[in-house]
Amino acid sequence: DQQVKQNSPSLSVQEGRISILNCDYTNSMFDYFLWYKKYPAEGPTFLISISSIKDKNEDGRFTVFLNKSAKHLSLHIVPSQPGDSAVYFCAASIRSGSARQLTFGSGTQLTVLP
Amino acid sequence: DTGVSQDPRHKITKRGQNVTFRCDPISEHNRLYWYRQTLGQGPEFLTYFQNEAQLEKSRLLSDRFSAERPKGSFSTLEIQRTEQGDSAMYLCASSPGISSYEQYFGPGTRLTVT
Repeated sequence: DQQVKQNSPSLSVQEGRISILNCDYTNSMFDYFLWYKKYPAEGPTFLISISSIKDKNEDGRFTVFLNKSAKHLSLHIVPSQPGDSAVYFCAASIRSGSARQLTFGSGTQLTVLP
Repeated sequence: DTGVSQDPRHKITKRGQNVTFRCDPISEHNRLYWYRQTLGQGPEFLTYFQNEAQLEKSRLLSDRFSAERPKGSFSTLEIQRTEQGDSAMYLCASSPGISSYEQYFGPGTRLTVT
């Protein structure tokens, strides 16, 4: 049972244009959502997050949108740069006892073409 | 402090052997998580420590797996009698406390069981 889904395994975008990465979830108990970026041979790097009580969070070129009724979130990168080429993981957080487990999607490989 | 570190970065072992991985979290982060990532998938939660106490374990963590965090600082993950299905990237993450949702990942240990 995949609770967090990223249905696009890959995305190619021209440099300077907008990249939109999508994520769907099924568990309405998730209360915090995060995006991570991963380069080959490195661990995931935290990028941006959003609380379930908000519908938008912006940080520089990165904006995350949350649509709770649709159980959908998206990451917008504008303008896209070649250095943004990486695998992007959507993750959802839920309080489990005292832990905050992250449930990850399977990732989207973003390629920004110069 | 330069972030979460893991050692070794790569480990090749023969089926049936025991292996041990180490994780050093960010200083003063009292929460430590282990995840496993297989090819084409996002990281999957294995276990969680708050200080030295192991408070949560996933069903993925079979009895061949054991994790410790003896002094509430570094942690070790041991796999006994390794199987080919254990081949994966093992990721460690740390988090400063209950009010923090973000987890900061190390570079991972890639295990190959031949």
